[in-house]
Amino acid sequence: AQSVTQLGSHVSVSEGALVLLRCNYSSSVPPYLFWYVQYPNQGLQLLLKYTTGATLVKGINGFEAEFKKSETSFHLTKPSAHMSDAAEYFCAVINNYGQNFVFGPGTRLSVLP
Amino acid sequence: SQTIHQWPATLVQPVGSPLSLECTVEGTSNPNLYWYRQAAGRGLQLLFYSVGIGQISSEVPQNLSASRPQDRQFILSSKKLLLSDSGFYLCAWGLGTGSNGYTFGSGTRLTVV
Repeated sequence: AQSVTQLGSHVSVSEGALVLLRCNYSSSVPPYLFWYVQYPNQGLQLLLKYTTGATLVKGINGFEAEFKKSETSFHLTKPSAHMSDAAEYFCAVINNYGQNFVFGPGTRLSVLP
Repeated sequence: SQTIHQWPATLVQPVGSPLSLECTVEGTSNPNLYWYRQAAGRGLQLLFYSVGIGQISSEVPQNLSASRPQDRQFILSSKKLLLSDSGFYLCAWGLGTGSNGYTFGSGTRLTVV
């Protein structure tokens, strides 16, 4: 069975600082990995995804994530936080065998002025 | 392009009243459809998914039911709402195994009073 853990339910950074949101997964088969962002009272928006190929993937709004198989991780980073990045972020995993998405519990990012 | 519509955006219902939330997808055929719930301060909980008309799988036994009367229509219902049914309900669609990710609707905030 697949699972996703996100270290830190709440992360605070200063505006302009590095954003690092952690995601670790478990999957018995090669995974597809995703990061979603959710702003208050809105649906989830896809930030980026890893399926195959390059392990460093770039997404919208300046975010990127690196798939590290040896560490079973898919951490999300952004070099410089902006106030508009304040939101909830969800990591998710799926495989190619017809199982449904498994979402992590989410990390709430606060950006301090 | 594909779009997903979910309504209403907000709903306040008394305990014991019925519920009907509707979700429709445009611009694609044979989508897999999903209903998720977010309770306050909690992550995403998959409630139902459907891979075709009339095909419903329930992930969590509860006071809710789902139906798919048409290919691109997914309805979440309840005969008698409970206080514990309050939450943010999200509809989503995906294709095949979901390796391209899910696309989410804008959500319905349900408050049962």
